[in-house]
Amino acid sequence: RKEVEQDPGPFNVPEGATVAFNCTYSNSASQSFFWYRQDCRKEPKLLMSVYSSGNEDGRFTAQLNRASQYISLLIRDSKLSDSATYLCVVNPEGAQKLVFGQGTRLTINP
Amino acid sequence: DARVTQTPRHKVTEMGQEVTMRCQPILGHNTVFWYRQTMMQGLELLAYFRNRAPLDDSGMPKDRFSAEMPDATLATLKIQPSEPRDSAVYFCASGFPGIGYTFGSGTRLTVV
Repeated sequence: RKEVEQDPGPFNVPEGATVAFNCTYSNSASQSFFWYRQDCRKEPKLLMSVYSSGNEDGRFTAQLNRASQYISLLIRDSKLSDSATYLCVVNPEGAQKLVFGQGTRLTINP
Repeated sequence: DARVTQTPRHKVTEMGQEVTMRCQPILGHNTVFWYRQTMMQGLELLAYFRNRAPLDDSGMPKDRFSAEMPDATLATLKIQPSEPRDSAVYFCASGFPGIGYTFGSGTRLTVV
């Protein structure tokens, strides 16, 4: 089983729709969780950290479910500019490194 | 905004040649990563440093790859000899544990 697993998509949704991604991780003692965004031929950029209580940043909401070992990202009122690959990132306990999922590709259609 | 600077941006080289990639992390960041990205494998961790000390390079083929951090402003990744399967985008990232990391623009390496 991979340390971090994501549905690779692609997800094609119309502008204005709400879209949600899930990501599962295998190490139950993982400490830190992040969502990164990567545009085509660009570097990954930190979108948001994921906190135990859940957190929101504008149209983006991240949730962590430790019992089921998954994190989620919800995008509301999607924009064309949200088209990108979204990477789930986990910091396994004791490893102090970042493990990336394969990414979920999202395309927002006009 | 502070940036992680990587050079060169693009490199085309012949099989067997030495390749050196450089990274200038953001000043003050104590952790530096090297990742490799391919379509098939996604982002793979090659090596990382904490306060310039190597912590983990288990993801790196030791016979041909080496990573060093000679000072706080420079991290290097060398491949000698290079092979076509090394063709990928190599990213450097710096930051603090638990806070998040900033990636450089990457070095796109093609080995022919």
